[in-house]
Amino acid sequence: AQSVAQPEDQVNVAEGNPLTVKCTYSVSGNPYLFWYVQYPNRGLQFLLKYITGDNLVKGSYGFEAEFNKSQTSFHLKKPSALVSDSALYFCAVRDTNAGKSTFGDGTTLTVKP
Amino acid sequence: DARVTQTPRHKVTEMGQEVTMRCQPILGHNTVFWYRQTMMQGLELLAYFRNRAPLDDSGMPKDRFSAEMPDATLATLKIQPSEPRDSAVYFCASGRLEGDEAFFGQGTRLTVV
Repeated sequence: AQSVAQPEDQVNVAEGNPLTVKCTYSVSGNPYLFWYVQYPNRGLQFLLKYITGDNLVKGSYGFEAEFNKSQTSFHLKKPSALVSDSALYFCAVRDTNAGKSTFGDGTTLTVKP
Repeated sequence: DARVTQTPRHKVTEMGQEVTMRCQPILGHNTVFWYRQTMMQGLELLAYFRNRAPLDDSGMPKDRFSAEMPDATLATLKIQPSEPRDSAVYFCASGRLEGDEAFFGQGTRLTVV
């Protein structure tokens, strides 16, 4: 079985400050981990993924995420937030033995000027 | 610029009517997913196909929903008869290999009155 948790429904940060959106997961095997972003009235867009290799993954728009196996976490980070980063963020996990991903409930990020 | 195309973008229908949503996956992608997004339930996987064969439709109400892939360029999701509780945004997504991310369409916003 696989599952993913995004413990925060909402994250608020000031523009220019660092941001973190949290994600923890559970899989029986090895994980593939993904972050997606959804802007209003749009589909989900891929940001970054962890498959294997370096634990620090860099993605689109200056976002990065760190895979932490011992803590089963894959938190999304950005050193300096922009107002335009305000959106709904989804973490997803797929067990390497599974054919489909499980998505978290999403975290709404609001960046205030 | 390859993208997943969904039609229609918006659909308003009366309860009891049949609704058909269409999806054109990205050429060369062998996996197609159907998701439903609502405020209450978040993002739910309804069904997915690999190489046009249905692999999992456990998330789909079988009595009224059906999903098919008549060919590699077309996936359909039908609801018959539709009910107000089916009102949601329905997303189609496609992907390639096991570790690959999913590419989402813009969604079909369905309103059943």
